[in-house]
Amino acid sequence: GDSVTQMEGPVTLSEEAFLTINCTYTATGYPSLFWYVQYPGEGLQLLLKATKADDKGSNKGFEATYRKETTSFHLEKGSVQVSDSAVYFCALQEGGGSNYKLTFGKGTLLTVNP
Amino acid sequence: DTAVSQTPKYLVTQMGNDKSIKCEQNLGHDTMYWYKQDSKKFLKIMFSYNNKELIINETVPNRFSPKSPDKAHLNLHINSLELGDSAVYFCASSPDAGKLFFGSGTQLSVL
Repeated sequence: GDSVTQMEGPVTLSEEAFLTINCTYTATGYPSLFWYVQYPGEGLQLLLKATKADDKGSNKGFEATYRKETTSFHLEKGSVQVSDSAVYFCALQEGGGSNYKLTFGKGTLLTVNP
Repeated sequence: DTAVSQTPKYLVTQMGNDKSIKCEQNLGHDTMYWYKQDSKKFLKIMFSYNNKELIINETVPNRFSPKSPDKAHLNLHINSLELGDSAVYFCASSPDAGKLFFGSGTQLSVL
């Protein structure tokens, strides 16, 4: 089946540093791609998404571009804040109609120090 | 109002017991899910329901039985709990492909 591989954490940065979290995927077609974020003690929240090749998803200063040629969807932010400390999950959508599901990567823990 | 709420938040129980986790969403979504998150944060789908109908059953042991009395509720009953069932269980609902709204999770500890 389809799968997602994202870089192992944890990632520790200082405030205002540049962030990249790598994500690559394996899929038979062209799935929609997502980044979700999980803050401590909470459920996951959708951060951004891209539905086709070369689409760029962006939200709260985070960006990711759907690269079909490299099957990648890397998450970037130019200047991280302490409040960005969380676990970040890359995901792809499998299936269609009512028979769809998200397959998640293993998550990357980000800690931002002041 | 909480969009997706699940109870209880914490559940500590002995091996062999039977327990249930309840989930309710007030977003009007047709599709609901159960996901299991292990101690390493790996998140794996267990079930999905669309308007009370089981759509996805991801090779979960039949000790786990979901029940959807209506499209706003999806409960999870677990029989004969085992140590390996210890995890955080998340309920989610979705209006369309990809955008999931998660509850805050139920941390299950089996002793």
